Amino acid sequence: IQLTQSPSSLSASVGDRVTITCRASQDINSYLAWYQQTPGKAPKLLIYPASTSLSGVPSRFSGSGSGTDFTLTISSLQPEDFATYYCQQLSSYPRTFGQGTKVEIK
Amino acid sequence: QVQLQESGPGVVKPSETLSLTCSVSGASISSYFWSWVRQPPGKGLEWIGYIYHTGITDSNPSLNSRVTVLVDTSKNQFSLRLNSVTAADTAIYYCARHRAEGRGAFDIWGRGTMVAVSS
Repeated sequence: IQLTQSPSSLSASVGDRVTITCRASQDINSYLAWYQQTPGKAPKLLIYPASTSLSGVPSRFSGSGSGTDFTLTISSLQPEDFATYYCQQLSSYPRTFGQGTKVEIK
Repeated sequence: QVQLQESGPGVVKPSETLSLTCSVSGASISSYFWSWVRQPPGKGLEWIGYIYHTGITDSNPSLNSRVTVLVDTSKNQFSLRLNSVTAADTAIYYCARHRAEGRGAFDIWGRGTMVAVSS
C-alpha cells in the first residue's frame, strides 16, 4: 500500500494552523498512524488510529480521516513542532510510511 | 520505563552481512511484537521486518529475502541480519515495539544506530 503525503515541505510561523494530508493507494479503514521526528531523534508516535491522540500528546495535534484520505492538523504551531511528520499504514504488511512532510520555520 | 538499545558494527563491507541487536529493558520481549525500521541519510522511513517471541516473523519483500529477524527470550533481545549488503543499505537502523492495542503502531523506539556500507 502506497502512502502519499502532501506537501513534502512547508514553511509556517509560530501560531499558524498547519494541515498535512496522507493519501493511501487503497482503503485502509482507520489503520493509520502519525509520527513526529525531530533532527537526530527517533520518530515519536503521535496519533493512532487515525483520529486518536496518544496520552501526553498536546491537544493542538489532531488527526482525521478514514478509507484513503487522512489529515494531521496542528492547530497552533509551537517552536517544538518544527519537525518532519510521517504517516504509516497498519492495514497490511509490509507496513509502509509516507515520504514525510518537513515543517520549517518561516 | 521501557527502553530499547540497538548495538552492532558501524561499518560493514559490501557483500557481507549486517548484524544488529536490540536489547529491551522495562518490558518482557514475550509480551509484544517487535520491528526493525531503517532510514537512509536524509531520507524517509522503511519498515524492514518484525518478530514475535514464538518466532513468527515477516519482512519487507523489497529487501529480496535478505532479511532474518531472530529473538532471544533468555536475553530479552531480538536481532536483525541483512545479507549481501550494498551502499544502498547505508542507513540509521531503529528497533521499535509494536503497541499492544490495535494493529500495533510503533510506540517505543530505540535511539537508532548508523550503519555504513563501505570497503
